[in-house]
Amino acid sequence: GQNIDQPTEMTATEGAIVQINCTYQTSGFNGLFWYQQHAGEAPTFLSYNVLDGLEEKGRFSSFLSRSKGYSYLLLKELQMKDSASYLCAVPTLDSGYALNFGKGTSLLVTP
Amino acid sequence: SQTIHQWPATLVQPVGSPLSLECTVEGTSNPNLYWYRQAAGRGLQLLFYSVGIGQISSEVPQNLSASRPQDRQFILSSKKLLLSDSGFYLCAWSRAGAEAFFGQGTRLTVV
Repeated sequence: GQNIDQPTEMTATEGAIVQINCTYQTSGFNGLFWYQQHAGEAPTFLSYNVLDGLEEKGRFSSFLSRSKGYSYLLLKELQMKDSASYLCAVPTLDSGYALNFGKGTSLLVTP
Repeated sequence: SQTIHQWPATLVQPVGSPLSLECTVEGTSNPNLYWYRQAAGRGLQLLFYSVGIGQISSEVPQNLSASRPQDRQFILSSKKLLLSDSGFYLCAWSRAGAEAFFGQGTRLTVV
């Protein structure tokens, strides 16, 4: 089975940097995904890590350590529009590679 | 480019009534297809997945069913809705192991 843990809520200030952590346990690793979900909307893909290290994409970066079962999403130069839920997910090989999502971290960006 | 359409966007149905939600994918062939449900304040729960026409796998026991009559069409149904079926339903597609792309979602309220 799979177990994915993320903090429930985080608050950060506009212009700051925030790190959202995710730990996972999986019987077979096929990469880790991060999604952003604004209230009332569908999740949108942010990043994918399959090898250890940092993947940078503009203001967003994602890090993976397979040996520790750990990932984080780093958001720089926070903007008000970054207020959303951030979901960590790993694919499940025996469910057609369906993504198994954590409960998500609700990020509130304040002025 | 690939697109995914899901409708309707919102739905209010009485208890005991039937349900049919439809999802279609364009611009790709033989996608993996998924139905998720997100209850208020909770994570995404995988309901069904399909790796080919006519092939459906269920992840949780419930009074819902799914069908895939065509390669790029995925339908979620119920004969009699329960109050507990209320939630945000999301259709998604992916290539095995790659990122999943979500439809706009259907907010279902059973009254």
